[in-house]
Amino acid sequence: DAGITQSPRHKVTETGTPVTLRCHQTENHRYMYWYRQDPGHGLRLIHYSYGVKDTDKGEVSDGYSVSRSKTEDFLLTLESATSSQTSVYFCAISLTGAGNTIYFGEGSWLTVV
Amino acid sequence: GQQLNQSPQSMFIQEGEDVSMNCTSSSIFNTWLWYKQDPGEGPVLLIALYKAGELTSNGRLTAQFGITRKDSFLNISASIPSDVGIYFCAGQSAGGTSYGKLTFGQGTILTVHP
Repeated sequence: DAGITQSPRHKVTETGTPVTLRCHQTENHRYMYWYRQDPGHGLRLIHYSYGVKDTDKGEVSDGYSVSRSKTEDFLLTLESATSSQTSVYFCAISLTGAGNTIYFGEGSWLTVV
Repeated sequence: GQQLNQSPQSMFIQEGEDVSMNCTSSSIFNTWLWYKQDPGEGPVLLIALYKAGELTSNGRLTAQFGITRKDSFLNISASIPSDVGIYFCAGQSAGGTSYGKLTFGQGTILTVHP
């Protein structure tokens, strides 16, 4: 258990509705990441944070925004969900950014109908 | 952007057999990582490699960092049913602006028949 809690774990929503996924950590790690996982693509980075209020875009950031107002929480928002955003979303945390300190949450399954 | 090609996409093997999978990249990485993902779970780190040519073992698992820094392989010896899952390679660039970002391969689905 790496002290990461993702919520909700499962959600079904309609196209065009806003959705927010929450990642909460108890480890006081500086770095936090949001990845999405789709068949045939592995995990792809959406957004990441390197400190409170410090965020940047990843490989597949279109249609997503993030916020980090405190160390322990990193929020991923889909402003207007689309069917192409149906995916499994994983939050990850890291103390130093080094590969061996990166830990993943259990995932959030999002279906957009 | 950077891309990792992981092969094979899937493997069906008998218990006790050895397994080999690999990743190749169009770019150089300074760290190679291998993860395993069980159904309904997040990826879990198996092995981390930090130097070109490095060979590292973790129990029945052995991984190597290619000397060109553009490839890596993972071997599993004497497979057992609990080895079933999806295996991912991931590359990480070094430097102050990398912020720990990972680039993942597409995954290898491993099925082990008892």
